[in-house]
Amino acid sequence: KQEVTQIPAALSVPEGENLVLNCSFTDSAIYNLQWFRQDPGKGLTSLLLIQSSQREQTSGRLNASLDKSSGRSTLYIAASQPGDSATYLCAVNSGANNLFFGTGTRLTVIP
Amino acid sequence: DVKVTQSSRYLVKRTGEKVFLECVQDMDHENMFWYRQDPGLGLRLIYFSYDVKMKEKGDIPEGYSVSREKKERFSLILESASTNQTSMYLCASRDPANYGYTFGSGTRLTVV
Repeated sequence: KQEVTQIPAALSVPEGENLVLNCSFTDSAIYNLQWFRQDPGKGLTSLLLIQSSQREQTSGRLNASLDKSSGRSTLYIAASQPGDSATYLCAVNSGANNLFFGTGTRLTVIP
Repeated sequence: DVKVTQSSRYLVKRTGEKVFLECVQDMDHENMFWYRQDPGLGLRLIYFSYDVKMKEKGDIPEGYSVSREKKERFSLILESASTNQTSMYLCASRDPANYGYTFGSGTRLTVV
């Protein structure tokens, strides 16, 4: 069964800093990988979707990379802002009708 | 953009009540999903549906049922609510073009 791990579990950075969130998965036979953001008490907002054939995706200050062979993905956030404070989840789609979620990284950006 | 709407943000129900959680998507997606999210346990799949009137059990279907009478609407039913069903419930639909998931804003259910 696919296992997804996110490191670190929590991260606190000053505003303006660039940061990297990590996601690793055990089975490289994936269909795609999706990064989500979750604010407290809210649903999941999709940030980036990377297909297995892609190496990276970019949206504004966010860049996600995928190294399928090593079972790793990173989410890079440039010039962090207090509004970026949230929990970030990565989810691996292995082709069946389920997503395998990581445990999340809780990010706090300090003004 | 796909929109997934969950009709209630917060619900408080009594033990033994029958509870309906509603979810509607606006993109004619065939696949829809219900998850619950609990601290320390993450997101767990309850049920999914791959077409009208078609459903499959997920990892934790006990105590739940679902209904899909129209493609845009997927309902989760708690037949007899219990306190251990207090949780955040999240609905999602999946885009057949890229297998990307869109989630609703969630329903926080408290069973007292």
